[in-house]
Amino acid sequence: KQEVTQIPAALSVPEGENLVLNCSFTDSAIYNLQWFRQDPGKGLTSLLLIQSSQREQTSGRLNASLDKSSGRSTLYIAASQPGDSATYLCAVTFTTSGTYKYIFGTGTRLKVLA
Amino acid sequence: DAGITQSPRHKVTETGTPVTLRCHQTENHRYMYWYRQDPGHGLRLIHYSYGVKDTDKGEVSDGYSVSRSKTEDFLLTLESATSSQTSVYFCAVGLAGGSYEQYFGPGTRLTVT
Repeated sequence: KQEVTQIPAALSVPEGENLVLNCSFTDSAIYNLQWFRQDPGKGLTSLLLIQSSQREQTSGRLNASLDKSSGRSTLYIAASQPGDSATYLCAVTFTTSGTYKYIFGTGTRLKVLA
Repeated sequence: DAGITQSPRHKVTETGTPVTLRCHQTENHRYMYWYRQDPGHGLRLIHYSYGVKDTDKGEVSDGYSVSRSKTEDFLLTLESATSSQTSVYFCAVGLAGGSYEQYFGPGTRLTVT
């Protein structure tokens, strides 16, 4: 069964710390992986998309890496700020016999303390 | 911003009544999706569309139907609402080119009493 797991479910860090969020998936046959941010009571904001042929993508203080062979992606946030507090979700597009399946992890709730 | 709006944004309804949620997009994307988000389950796909009048089921489609008569509108209908369908519903669009990158609307909070 294709699954996406995010551990830990919640994380608190002091402001200024560099941090890593993890996303694991059970099947290496993926098309891409997308990281989102969700603020309480709000929709999802797309942060980064990594295609299966890519190793990493960067946007500002965010860097996402992808290792298909180990079934892992990490989202690195540099110099964290209180405004980074949100839930971070990863979603994987799995490919099987020409079909595509989009599966979300349950997210990591991040709190950055001032 | 993929120009996605959802209506209504909040709704309270009674068990057994039909409910229709609307997703509207302004940028002519081919793919549209309906998800529900529940604590402990994350986001789960209900139905999706890959073109006008072309739809298919997702993993939690029981009790829901969809229609897409125009590119810009994707409707989700709960034929007879149940309390288990209390949730936050998100619409998403898939960008052109089949990259499967998705952008999400603001969500609809539905409460079934």
